[in-house]
Amino acid sequence: DSGVTQTPKHLITATGQRVTLRCSPRSGDLSVYWYQQSLDQGLQFLIQYYNGEERAKGNILERFSAQQFPDLHSELNLSSLELGDSALYFCASSAPTPNTEAFFGQGTRLTVV
Amino acid sequence: AQTVTQSQPEMSVQEAETVTLSCTYDTSESDYYLFWYKQPPSRQMILVIRQEAYKQQNATENRFSVNFQKAAKSFSLKISDSQLGDAAMYFCAYEGTGTASKLTFGTGTRLQVTL
Repeated sequence: DSGVTQTPKHLITATGQRVTLRCSPRSGDLSVYWYQQSLDQGLQFLIQYYNGEERAKGNILERFSAQQFPDLHSELNLSSLELGDSALYFCASSAPTPNTEAFFGQGTRLTVV
Repeated sequence: AQTVTQSQPEMSVQEAETVTLSCTYDTSESDYYLFWYKQPPSRQMILVIRQEAYKQQNATENRFSVNFQKAAKSFSLKISDSQLGDAAMYFCAYEGTGTASKLTFGTGTRLQVTL
């Protein structure tokens, strides 16, 4: 158990819908990262938050957004879903010190039908 | 931009034998971090080993060791005494320095362990 909790584990939704994925980081970790793992794109970095503020942005679509709340949990919002958004979405967290190990949650498997 | 290349989509090793997974990367930075992550069928991403680029000594973790060749930008993973539980996808990853760092992953190598 990495200490990073992601909910839900599985999500099936229709095209055009909106979903919210939730991540609770390890206790004490201030950084939260979101990654997408798909068959055609591999593992890609989406976005990083540090103590509530956006720190780095990767290949995140405009239809996607994220935020980190005062209690440090984070949510990834995916809207106007397309079939191609079907993927495994990982959250990872790391300690405040830069370049420490990132611990991954078990992921949310999103299926868009 | 940094890139990570894993040229072996699949590898197979017999139990108790040794296998080496290859990884090359491209960066213009002099200081960075390299990782090998394991993803078993459970989907969990598990850190196997970590190497700081400024350290010349190769990292080792029990049966896992790396061969880090900075000039060649090569970072291979050696698994000794392979076990059935080692069967998984293995991802090589690069991370730059600083607070806005992120992991850049290779495409992965699927390792099969046979009896």
